[in-house]
Amino acid sequence: EAQVTQNPRYLITVTGKKLTVTCSQNMNHEYMSWYRQDPGLGLRQIYYSMNVEVTDKGDVPEGYKVSRKEKRNFPLILESPSPNQTSLYFCASSRGAGNQPQHFGDGTRLSIL
Amino acid sequence: AQSVTQLDSQVPVFEEAPVELRCNYSSSVSVYLFWYVQYPNQGLQLLLKYLSGSTLVESINGFEAEFNKSQTSFHLRKPSVHISDTAEYFCAVSRPGGYQKVTFGTGTKLQVIP
Repeated sequence: EAQVTQNPRYLITVTGKKLTVTCSQNMNHEYMSWYRQDPGLGLRQIYYSMNVEVTDKGDVPEGYKVSRKEKRNFPLILESPSPNQTSLYFCASSRGAGNQPQHFGDGTRLSIL
Repeated sequence: AQSVTQLDSQVPVFEEAPVELRCNYSSSVSVYLFWYVQYPNQGLQLLLKYLSGSTLVESINGFEAEFNKSQTSFHLRKPSVHISDTAEYFCAVSRPGGYQKVTFGTGTKLQVIP
């Protein structure tokens, strides 16, 4: 089954404690993205990757890091989380061209206390 | 730069009534348009898309959307909604040519009332 898998689904942690949200896709897609979803703001892109070792900033990259060492994986790293990063996060993958739909994971709800 | 506006944050509608969810976009070049649906506690799923050709596109579950270039709109419609259509709907825009950023609207919550 084609899918994008995120872990964990839920996480409550404290300010400053480094965390990683993993994302894996099994569709051999070149392109992967991270979004955060906040009430009234829709989805905002954090980072995206066009292929292995190729990443770039989205609209709201501050406070986040990513890496793309393998085609299937695209982890999101919060090195020093703060309360304003409390949000619902989605990983997505696609074949990349603008006419290709994105495939989303089920989301990770992060609460930073 | 491109942008998407979904004017209605919430739309309540009675079961079996028609519904229209509005989406307007802004772009200086040609666009691709998408509607995604998000059910509770799930990720977004593609509902339908407009790439080119016929301006009326349909989904398998009875939704349709019409691309209107002169009004820069891509409104989503369904003639008769079901309880199971209760979800949040996102309009999105991208552009032709290699990798292109996808811009999402702020979403419209459709609440179907029994």
